[in-house]
Amino acid sequence: DSGVTQTPKHLITATGQRVTLRCSPRSGDLSVYWYQQSLDQGLQFLIQYYNGEERAKGNILERFSAQQFPDLHSELNLSSLELGDSALYFCASSVGQGKGAYGYTFGSGTRLTVV
Amino acid sequence: GIQVEQSPPDLILQEGANSTLRCNFSDSVNNLQWFHQNPWGQLINLFYIPSGTKQNGRLSATTVATERYSLLYISSSQTTDSGVYFCAVYSGGGADGLTFGKGTHLIIQP
Repeated sequence: DSGVTQTPKHLITATGQRVTLRCSPRSGDLSVYWYQQSLDQGLQFLIQYYNGEERAKGNILERFSAQQFPDLHSELNLSSLELGDSALYFCASSVGQGKGAYGYTFGSGTRLTVV
Repeated sequence: GIQVEQSPPDLILQEGANSTLRCNFSDSVNNLQWFHQNPWGQLINLFYIPSGTKQNGRLSATTVATERYSLLYISSSQTTDSGVYFCAVYSGGGADGLTFGKGTHLIIQP
């Protein structure tokens, strides 16, 4: 157990639907990151939160959004799903952020399949 | 944005062999990490190594930031070392995520 908890582990849904992925960071970590891993794009950074505030956006689609709650857990919302959104979605947390982001720890991921 | 290239893309070795994985990056970085993704998909942080050399058991890593490369050494390989090894860097001036290379797929045969 890495200390980063992601739920659900697997998700199958239809095109056009909306899903929510949940992440609880490792105790004490204030930074939460979301990454997408697909065969064609590899591992891509989507978005980062630090202590409840959005700090950086990467290659996140407008159909996707995220938030971090006061208890530091985070949710990634994916809407109007398309077949190409099928991927493994990882949450990670770290001590510090930016160049000082060490102790980077990933959750076990949510495998999303859009049919 | 910064480019991260890893080599070789694939590597097949016998148990007990040593290997060197390379990561080249196109710009200066102030955060570099190595990860191992096991066959079950779990990403495990191996090293935080923006510069210098670190060792952890059979694994060691060296980053030469001025020449923009990092090396991961695996000695006396075991079948459990199989998986994909990723190099990831951060180069921005503000809060940002890591940019990952495409990885080296390592298979250790018994």
